[in-house]
Amino acid sequence: SAVISQKPSRDICQRGTSLTIQCQVDSQVTMMFWYRQQPGQSLTLIATANQGSEATYESGFVIDKFPISRPNLTFSTLTVSNMSPEDSSIYLCSVGAGEGQPQHFGDGTRLSIL
Amino acid sequence: GNSVTQMEGPVTLSEEAFLTINCTYTATGYPSLFWYVQYPGEGLQLLLKATKADDKGSNKGFEATYRKETTSFHLEKGSVQVSDSAVYFCALSDSGAGSYQLTFGKGTKLSVIP
Repeated sequence: SAVISQKPSRDICQRGTSLTIQCQVDSQVTMMFWYRQQPGQSLTLIATANQGSEATYESGFVIDKFPISRPNLTFSTLTVSNMSPEDSSIYLCSVGAGEGQPQHFGDGTRLSIL
Repeated sequence: GNSVTQMEGPVTLSEEAFLTINCTYTATGYPSLFWYVQYPGEGLQLLLKATKADDKGSNKGFEATYRKETTSFHLEKGSVQVSDSAVYFCALSDSGAGSYQLTFGKGTKLSVIP
């Protein structure tokens, strides 16, 4: 399976600032996804990162708050904008192998907002 | 829509005890089923999968059988170890119309004590 590297692994940020999280895959993949995992909770899909077009956002998530880039088939970024303490979560990227196939995840970015 | 229901945690077991974590699902199509494990401070790892009825997924001593008649995919291990302490997520990927999305259960935290 693909090797997925996420950076940074953790960060502590000030309220009102923005942070960009990077996700690098060691092979070309069609589908990349971004999830949020709030403390003690399950994963919630933020958006699907589409190469060469705008990301597809899930209900409750908007581009202004979570802009996503996907410049090629091995890389994506997620920015968490104008952060507040409610944004303190683990953010994970994943890659999909195909319809009905499992996704494989990076180690996540642990974000705390003061 | 699709949903996954798994038993509430936390679950605390003594080493060498038998483990069962229940998982049931609803799906509009014919889903693939997965168990993921999240060790403390890490991302999600695929533990096992099953893609059709009566398939048994197995890995690291864990097993789960895809039961279409009961829409279940219960996770079992005959003898747990302290190193199995983690959060376990049941998930499905529906096979309809090019869907790549995963639907997760809420997760079950397992603690194994010596």
